[in-house]
Amino acid sequence: EVQLVESGGGLVQPGGSLRLSCAVSGFTVSHYYMTWVRQAPGKGLEWVSIIYTGDSSYHADSVKGRFTISRDSSQNTLYLQMNILRAEDTAVYYCARRSTYGMAFDIWGQGTVVTVSS
Amino acid sequence: QSALTQPASVSGSPGQSITISCTGSSSDVGGYDYVSWCQQYPGKAPTLMIYDVSKRPSGISNRFSGSKSGNTASLTISGLQAEDEADYYCTSYTSSSTYVFGTGTKVTVL
Repeated sequence: EVQLVESGGGLVQPGGSLRLSCAVSGFTVSHYYMTWVRQAPGKGLEWVSIIYTGDSSYHADSVKGRFTISRDSSQNTLYLQMNILRAEDTAVYYCARRSTYGMAFDIWGQGTVVTVSS
Repeated sequence: QSALTQPASVSGSPGQSITISCTGSSSDVGGYDYVSWCQQYPGKAPTLMIYDVSKRPSGISNRFSGSKSGNTASLTISGLQAEDEADYYCTSYTSSSTYVFGTGTKVTVL
């Protein structure tokens, strides 16, 4: 079964760091483009980061220089390293797979909650 | 990386058709046929409904259809049903090799 399971969320103080994980099953993480999307409480979806094959990556301006997307083929897991966290980074973070049949995200995880507060 | 513009809410009666617009620029919506639409119920992860402007993934009802003209894409839901009440987001690939979401539209079935 194709599945994405996020973990690693929690409460962190402003300026702190957190690493989110997205465990992949049913396919090989290194064979697909993978992305992170977040949703602040009561707000809409916001694209965060994407990693392409060859491990080239792109980030939204709002997180550039603070967040890093990566993956580990041996663990079949996607990661999001988040540094210098701000209150406005508080959100549910979803990982998703870019489909092979189109330029869209076809498989999503259930999300993990990140709260940045003192 | 400004969000694509969608109406905040759209409503319709059961059986009617509604259309949600998604307006961007020539750097995203207008520049590529890579607009997708997802549906999200409260507290749940999004589900892909339309990809590449007008294609439906396997298992998605043909009541959902997509189109694009210039810098504006549209999602039409025909034969509106109670289960269609949800939030809908458009997404577009951009000229910066990134993605951008729309502001989201809440669909209410009257």
